[in-house]
Amino acid sequence: ETGVTQSPTHLIKTRGQQVTLRCSSQSGHNTVSWYQQALGQGPQFIFQYYREEENGRGNFPPRFSGLQFPNYSSELNVNALELDDSALYLCASSLGSDRGTNGELFFGEGSRLTVL
Amino acid sequence: RKEVEQDPGPFNVPEGATVAFNCTYSNSASQSFFWYRQDCRKEPKLLMSVYSSGNEDGRFTAQLNRASQYISLLIRDSKLSDSATYLCVVIRTGAGSYQLTFGKGTKLSVIP
Repeated sequence: ETGVTQSPTHLIKTRGQQVTLRCSSQSGHNTVSWYQQALGQGPQFIFQYYREEENGRGNFPPRFSGLQFPNYSSELNVNALELDDSALYLCASSLGSDRGTNGELFFGEGSRLTVL
Repeated sequence: RKEVEQDPGPFNVPEGATVAFNCTYSNSASQSFFWYRQDCRKEPKLLMSVYSSGNEDGRFTAQLNRASQYISLLIRDSKLSDSATYLCVVIRTGAGSYQLTFGKGTKLSVIP
């Protein structure tokens, strides 16, 4: 077990709705990153938070936003859901610095989102 | 051209075989490289880091070639338990920004 927990594990939304996914990082880790994984694809980097600030972002529109809290847990928010947002959303925690992480990511089991 | 590309797979090999995966990256400023393993319907897990000097862990050997911008993973004496999808990861950091890119993954099936 990685110690990274995500909630909810599964959820169903309709187009246009908003969703919030949550992640608790592993003890001692200060960095959280989020990924979208469509079926048959590798995870796509959404963004990363270090000490409550976003310090990296992939090619995702602004309707994908996030937060990191003082206890290093994190939320991913997606507004105006589209059918293509249906995917597994993975959260990973790591030990980072001002220059990023060492790349050793510990993943949660993911939240599977279905948009109808 | 995609930032990270992997062998398309799937690779179906008999037990005991040696199998090699390659992964190429397009941005020469990339700094850190890793192989992750993902079992079906599970989260990715770190397999090993990749260095120019090579990195060996038991039956697994990873290598980085900066000049040709590719990383490789060699698995010797394949076991049934090696069946999984292998993902390469490339990290680039600069100007306060951090980018991490996964390859699409290569599926390996080890057959009895």
